[in-house]
Amino acid sequence: GENVEQHPSTLSVQEGDSAVIKCTYSDSASNYFPWYKQELGKRPQLIIDIRSNVGEKKDQRIAVTLNKTAKHFSLHITETQPEDSAVYFCAASINFGNEKLTFGTGTRLTIIP
Amino acid sequence: DAGVIQSPRHEVTEMGQEVTLRCKPISGHDYLFWYRQTMMRGLELLIYFNNNVPIDDSGMPEDRFSAKMPNASFSTLKIQPSEPRDSAVYFCASSQENEQFFGPGTRLTVL
Repeated sequence: GENVEQHPSTLSVQEGDSAVIKCTYSDSASNYFPWYKQELGKRPQLIIDIRSNVGEKKDQRIAVTLNKTAKHFSLHITETQPEDSAVYFCAASINFGNEKLTFGTGTRLTIIP
Repeated sequence: DAGVIQSPRHEVTEMGQEVTLRCKPISGHDYLFWYRQTMMRGLELLIYFNNNVPIDDSGMPEDRFSAKMPNASFSTLKIQPSEPRDSAVYFCASSQENEQFFGPGTRLTVL
């Protein structure tokens, strides 16, 4: 089955700096890669996703890049703000018709004011 | 749509008691997932359904756990008997075209 590894497990950055979280996956058939943000005491919420026919996707200060050859994808947050502090999870899914997500172990991001 | 709805939001029970968690998925979503989250084990997939049919229950920890989906708008996760190590936050999620949306979760404490 699919295995997703996520690094780092914790990350602290100064407010205004950029943060990068990286994930690798094992199953080359995976073609959907979402990122979830979970604030303390809240539910995981989808913040951005990318499908395998696209190499990069941006949404304001957030971007995700995908390298299918190397089987890794990354989340980039620019101009970080205190409200970006949360746990971030990456995930991978094989295809439509089997919508099970395999999650990474999470990255606790702390933005230092 | 109100999103995924879970009840109760908090449950405190004593060891040995039966616990039933409830979930109403987003209308039109044909996949439903039950997860458990703890500090030690992270986010674990317990079981998921497609069109009300259980597809993969390999994540269910043991026979004390059972899940049902009698119709497209309702699912239950039951623990009988409950144990202190079952204390966790239980999330239900539903999806369509891969995009999973989580409910607010049920925080279960077993004393």
